[in-house]
Amino acid sequence: GNSVTQMEGPVTLSEEAFLTINCTYTATGYPSLFWYVQYPGEGLQLLLKATKADDKGSNKGFEATYRKETTSFHLEKGSVQVSDSAVYFCALQGGSEKLVFGKGMKLTVNP
Amino acid sequence: EADIYQTPRYLVIGTGKKITLECSQTMGHDKMYWYQQDPGMELHLIHYSYGVNSTEKGDLSSESTVSRIRTEHFPLTLESARPSHTSQYLCASSRHHRTSGALNEQFFGPGTRLTVL
Repeated sequence: GNSVTQMEGPVTLSEEAFLTINCTYTATGYPSLFWYVQYPGEGLQLLLKATKADDKGSNKGFEATYRKETTSFHLEKGSVQVSDSAVYFCALQGGSEKLVFGKGMKLTVNP
Repeated sequence: EADIYQTPRYLVIGTGKKITLECSQTMGHDKMYWYQQDPGMELHLIHYSYGVNSTEKGDLSSESTVSRIRTEHFPLTLESARPSHTSQYLCASSRHHRTSGALNEQFFGPGTRLTVL
């Protein structure tokens, strides 16, 4: 079945540091890939998405590229801010249209 | 902007009580979902619905039940709450039809944090 493996934290960074959160997936066919973010005390929000190989999703300075050859969708940001402190989830959506989530990674950014 | 609401946001109750967690969306979405989020943050799909009078069990077995009498409303009920039900419950919705180039993005509510004593 479909599955997502993402880097587990927690991770603590200083403001303006570079961020990479690794995400790899196993799926049949051509799934769509997502990154969701959960700020403290809130539900999940879609951060970015990609529907096919080599697509790059981007939003709020975050980027991720759908790499079919490595079955990966790593999230990156060049300079994190304190306001980026949250839990980040990688997810895929296959033919059933149900989302399959990774376990989430908690990021804390210190000033 | 997503218009999906959950009430209550926080609930503390005693063992054996019957509770209903409310979820409503104003986007006209056919699909709705309930997720349980454990303290380790992992999300588990416990129920979903593809439309009125349609409900299915999710990937994680749950003692809760759901109903879908109206498109916009997808309540979750626990007949007799136990401490093992303590968790965060997230509701989500999405459109039914997958159109070319479009994604059926799931929109999430703010969640209900349930504590059973």
